[in-house]
Amino acid sequence: AQRVTQPEKLLSVFKGAPVELKCNYSYSGSPELFWYVQYSRQRLQLLLRHISRESIKGFTADLNKGETSFHLKKPFAQEEDSAMYYCALSGANRDDKIIFGKGTRLHILP
Amino acid sequence: DTEVTQTPKHLVMGMTNKKSLKCEQHMGHRAMYWYKQKAKKPPELMFVYSYEKLSINESVPSRFSPECPNSSLLNLHLHALQPEDSALYLCASSQDYTQLYGYTFGSGTRLTVV
Repeated sequence: AQRVTQPEKLLSVFKGAPVELKCNYSYSGSPELFWYVQYSRQRLQLLLRHISRESIKGFTADLNKGETSFHLKKPFAQEEDSAMYYCALSGANRDDKIIFGKGTRLHILP
Repeated sequence: DTEVTQTPKHLVMGMTNKKSLKCEQHMGHRAMYWYKQKAKKPPELMFVYSYEKLSINESVPSRFSPECPNSSLLNLHLHALQPEDSALYLCASSQDYTQLYGYTFGSGTRLTVV
């Protein structure tokens, strides 16, 4: 069964410190993995996707198939990074659906 | 235009009312979605339209009725809702059903059923 697990509901990090938001997944095929972010009073938006291997706003995420993980990392946290972060998974077939994790609220402390 | 536009932004309706939510995109996306999001919870999928055809209905009660009149528009018709249906209703679109490029979400309609 498809499943996305984000073990931390809340993560508090000091400004300037490294950030790692954990995401583990369960999927029988080759998954497509994403991170979405929801800033306060703003719409849910795509932050990055594993297929593009990009860095957005200083965040990166590497797909580790051995550990079935897709952790989101940033070397130096900024106050504007405070938001709700959702890890999401999908397959590539017509009937596949994006499954969202329960989310981690990132709180950057001054 | 790189946005998904949802109207209205807020809606209060009684349990006997009929109302509709509207979603529009002009990015040429061929898959459109309705999600329901309760406070501090992840979005829950309701319906998927792929090339204007309903492809997924996540066992949603019949008091929610989706409609896709054309490739740019998605409606959600509401009738005889319950107070527990109060939530943020999100529309999203993607290039196609493969979802390789992720979703573009609208800002949502905050629905309150009284």
